[in-house]
This record gives sequence, structure tokens and C-alpha cells, in this order.
Amino acid sequence: TQLLEQSPQFLSIQEGENLTVYCNSSSVFSSLQWYRQEPGEGPVLLVTVVTGGEVKKLKRLTFQFGDARKDSSLHITAAQPGDTGLYLCAGEDSGGYQKVTFGTGTKLQVIP
Amino acid sequence: NAGVTQTPKFRILKIGQSMTLQCTQDMNHNYMYWYRQDPGMGLKLIYYSVGAGITDKGEVPNGYNVSRSTTEDFPLRLELAAPSQTSVYFCASSYSRLAGGGETQYFGPGTRLLVL
Repeated sequence: TQLLEQSPQFLSIQEGENLTVYCNSSSVFSSLQWYRQEPGEGPVLLVTVVTGGEVKKLKRLTFQFGDARKDSSLHITAAQPGDTGLYLCAGEDSGGYQKVTFGTGTKLQVIP
Repeated sequence: NAGVTQTPKFRILKIGQSMTLQCTQDMNHNYMYWYRQDPGMGLKLIYYSVGAGITDKGEVPNGYNVSRSTTEDFPLRLELAAPSQTSVYFCASSYSRLAGGGETQYFGPGTRLLVL
């Protein structure tokens, strides 16, 4: 079973601060996705990274895929209260039918 | 398009009861999935399907069964409910798997199940 560990598990910061969330595994993934989930709803895809070393930006969010495709990071610049939620990384199984393994999640709270 | 819909939204079961969680998608997606999410945790794959008539086990299939008779529907069956099955269940679908492409999974709103 592939495991994805996210850190930190919980993060409470003030509006305007920067933060980084990490997603680590000993397994290689063909792609890695980041989702955000708000209370009472299903996860919503933010980004997919495919190539080792790839960096993608989505407004104030920067996503990076590790060179070896085993890890990823999400950096948020100048966090806003609207960024509050559960952030999940998910690695796509390189050998299966798009089976993805979800990380343990990082719960972010941005205080106004 | 309604996307992925799930019913019911919330259900309380007694130990030993059975129920079916319904999932329907109207996006003509080939792939469908069932996940469970325990409080404060990520999602664990229960079962998945790559097309009508084809299903396979995920990470935590014990205590569950699925069927896929049509492209649109992917019901999840609990035969003998146990307290350990208290969780939030999410159904998801995606179009196909591109080689390393990471096709987007679209999630339903979830079914909250409490087994007492």
C-alpha cells in the first residue's frame, strides 16, 4: 500500500502570512494532485502535476512536484480567510487504473 | 449537468442493518470510485470501477459490495452495518486515465453514515 504523509496536520495562521504544506512518500507516482475540501462538501481539484520538478502556480498558490516524483509541496502566499479548509494531496498509482492514494490531510485555518 | 449526486445525505443505522448508498453521474464518465473519510483524515478507496460491468477492490473493501450495471450508477452496499463503518462516504467519477495524465476526479457531496 502506497502511503502519503502530509505535514503539518494542522495549521492556524493570521491573514497575510505565508505557509507551506508538504506531501511525502517513499513511492513514485505518475502524477500528483492537490485538492481542497470545505466542511460538508467533497474535495475539489486544485491542480495536477505530472513531470518531476514541475512547478505550477494558481494565483497565490504554488505547487511543486519533486524531481523523483515522490513528494510535493503547496505554498500559499499572503493567506486569506477564504483559503481555510482541508488540503489533500493524492498520488496517482503508476500501474493501476487511475487509482489514487490520498494523503492524511492538512487542516488550515486562516484567522482574519 | 448535475455532476455527481449521492443519496441519502445522512443516515443512521443500527448494528446489523443493511443499506445501499446511491451514486449517479451524468458526465458519461467511465471511471467511478467509492471512498470513505473518517474525521480529520484523508480518503480511503473502498471500490472502483473502470466501466459498466467491471469493478475492483480498493484499499478497504471489507464489509462492502458494489455493482456497476450502467455507466451512470455505482451503488455501494453495506450488508451488516458495524460501528466501524461510521464515516462519510464519497463517490467520485472521472473520464479516463491518460498516461500519467492525472485525469480530474469529480466528487459528490457525500453521505454521512452513523452506525449505532
